[in-house]
Amino acid sequence: EAGVVQSPRYKIIEKKQPVAFWCNPISGHNTLYWYLQNLGQGPELLIRYENEEAVDDSQLPKDRFSAERLKGVDSTLKIQPAELGDSAVYLCASSLSRTGDTGELFFGEGSRLTVL
Amino acid sequence: GNSVTQMEGPVTLSEEAFLTINCTYTATGYPSLFWYVQYPGEGLQLLLKATKADDKGSNKGFEATYRKETTSFHLEKGSVQVSDSAVYFCALSEYGNKLVFGAGTILRVKS
Repeated sequence: EAGVVQSPRYKIIEKKQPVAFWCNPISGHNTLYWYLQNLGQGPELLIRYENEEAVDDSQLPKDRFSAERLKGVDSTLKIQPAELGDSAVYLCASSLSRTGDTGELFFGEGSRLTVL
Repeated sequence: GNSVTQMEGPVTLSEEAFLTINCTYTATGYPSLFWYVQYPGEGLQLLLKATKADDKGSNKGFEATYRKETTSFHLEKGSVQVSDSAVYFCALSEYGNKLVFGAGTILRVKS
């Protein structure tokens, strides 16, 4: 069974440029998460989807970040414009149900963003 | 709010040594507790979990016991191997809400 797939794995851009990350969750997983992981820190939730509905986006900086999950499968996270402080690893994860039920999130390998 | 505190790393051990990585948490109620592991070049994966007080989670020789009285969930392994070298994250979730992670502890095992 294929795991969570993310692309690109690495992205280097100039500040003020836009960038987009793509995630394909495990087939059949209704819940999809985007996490931000800064160097030396644990992942922090940006947004959680239940199917195509964003049910928790309180930590998403909405002035420059946006996300969508069309048809409740793949998801895209966009940053426009990028700032130096956005350099980090962006993790996508999926689960069959909400974390409280099983606790097992399946993570992709992440997309490492460097903003110059 | 909910939070998780882990011992700082890196932790460097020789092969077959005993491992303990400390984890304490703050929560308003009775969270579920987890250890995730990230091997080099791979995504995070669930190592073990415990959903109520006194539960012991175990997997691949690792164990952790949910201690409500000390709000702790320390990770232990009796004999580490070089292949256990990774970053270990303690995490909690409460009332079906988001998973909150600690900062992670780097483990390096020397042969």
